[in-house]
Amino acid sequence: EAQVTQNPRYLITVTGKKLTVTCSQNMNHEYMSWYRQDPGLGLRQIYYSMNVEVTDKGDVPEGYKVSRKEKRNFPLILESPSPNQTSLYFCASGNQGLMNTEAFFGQGTRLTVV
Amino acid sequence: GQQLNQSPQSMFIQEGEDVSMNCTSSSIFNTWLWYKQDPGEGPVLLIALYKAGELTSNGRLTAQFGITRKDSFLNISASIPSDVGIYFCAGQNDMRFGAGTRLTVKP
Repeated sequence: EAQVTQNPRYLITVTGKKLTVTCSQNMNHEYMSWYRQDPGLGLRQIYYSMNVEVTDKGDVPEGYKVSRKEKRNFPLILESPSPNQTSLYFCASGNQGLMNTEAFFGQGTRLTVV
Repeated sequence: GQQLNQSPQSMFIQEGEDVSMNCTSSSIFNTWLWYKQDPGEGPVLLIALYKAGELTSNGRLTAQFGITRKDSFLNISASIPSDVGIYFCAGQNDMRFGAGTRLTVKP
């Protein structure tokens, strides 16, 4: 089954404790992206990657890191989480063709930083 | 980067009513995409539009690609309770989304 898998689905952590949220897709997509969703603010792009070893900042990259060592994986790293990073996070993947840019989303990771 | 303005921010309607929402951009697009996010889930693609002026339907949903290529509209006819959710528009290529329209349908 074609899917984007995020782990964990729920995470409660303490300020300053490094964490990684994993994202994996099995559709051979070139493009992957991370978003955070906060009430009233929609989906804000954190980082995106257009291919292996290519990553770029989105609209809200501060406090986050990503890597793209393999095509299928795009982990999101919070080196020193803070309470303002409490949010619902989504990973998505897609093909970067000119006409077909449908994004496939993971189930989301709800992160609470206390 | 491009700015996507989506309105209205939220809607409260009675079951059976029609719904209309729109999205405008500061840039010209070659593609418009509309997604729906059910509560507790990730967004899923509803309709894709590839040509200025195009009108596309998917059941009770109809979407239009504006002639100026800077806007798009999504209409839902005869709403039902399962239409509840957040609707997002997106432009091509960089997978950025509008802020969403939250739809509540009262039975």
